[in-house]
Amino acid sequence: ETGVTQTPRHLVMGMTNKKSLKCEQHLGHNAMYWYKQSAKKPLELMFVYNFKEQTENNSVPSRFSPECPNSSHLFLHLHTLQPEDSALYLCASSQGARFYEQYFGPGTRLTVT
Amino acid sequence: LAKTTQPISMDSYEGQEVNITCSHNNIATNDYITWYQQFPSQGPRFIIQGYKTKVTNEVASLFIPADRKSSTLSLPRVSLSDTAVYYCLVIGRDSSASKIIFGSGTRLSIRP
Repeated sequence: ETGVTQTPRHLVMGMTNKKSLKCEQHLGHNAMYWYKQSAKKPLELMFVYNFKEQTENNSVPSRFSPECPNSSHLFLHLHTLQPEDSALYLCASSQGARFYEQYFGPGTRLTVT
Repeated sequence: LAKTTQPISMDSYEGQEVNITCSHNNIATNDYITWYQQFPSQGPRFIIQGYKTKVTNEVASLFIPADRKSSTLSLPRVSLSDTAVYYCLVIGRDSSASKIIFGSGTRLSIRP
C-alpha cells in the first residue's frame, strides 16, 4: 500500500462511452500526476497538478479531461476513446518540490473496445 | 536533458547480489540519480536516490563514481519477489516534473 488508491482497477468501455477514473492520496501531498503505460512502452506523463492547479499537459488529446477538485483527489474523465487508448493509467502524488519521489497507485487497466 | 542507458534485461538466482548499471554520460551538475522498481500491473515504487559516492537504505545501495557518468543499483541477496522492472532516472531538483523520463528500464528476472 503506497497511500494512493485508484478506482476502478479494471475498466472496459466502448468508444462512445463516457467514464471517469478516480485517484485519491492519503499522504498529505500537494502534487498529483496522471501517467499512461501502454504495452511495451515507457511510462508517459500526461498531466501534472500542483496545489489543484494544472501545471503540465503533455499534448494529451482532449478526449482525456483531468479534474483536480482538491489536493487529495484527481479524476481523469474519458470520452470517445480509441482502441489505442487501451493501457494502464497510473496516478501518482508527491510532496512539494520532491517531484522526483513520486508515490504511485496500483493503476486502472483500461480496455477500449 | 541527461539520457540514461541501462540493460534491457538481466537474470539472476535467489540469494545472489544483483548489480544493475546505468550510464548517464551527459549528467548535469545539479542532476540526481533516482531508481524506481515496478512489479507487473502495479505502479512504480521509489527505491533510492543519490548524488555521489554511496547511498544505502533498507532496500538497496546506490554506487556513484566520482565522474557521475554512471551509477550502479545493488540489490543484496535477491529473492523471487525482486523480479521487476528497474528504472534509472536522472533528474535535476530544480527542473520540472515534465522532465521525468522513465525509459524502458531493466527487466530483472530472479530464478529459484
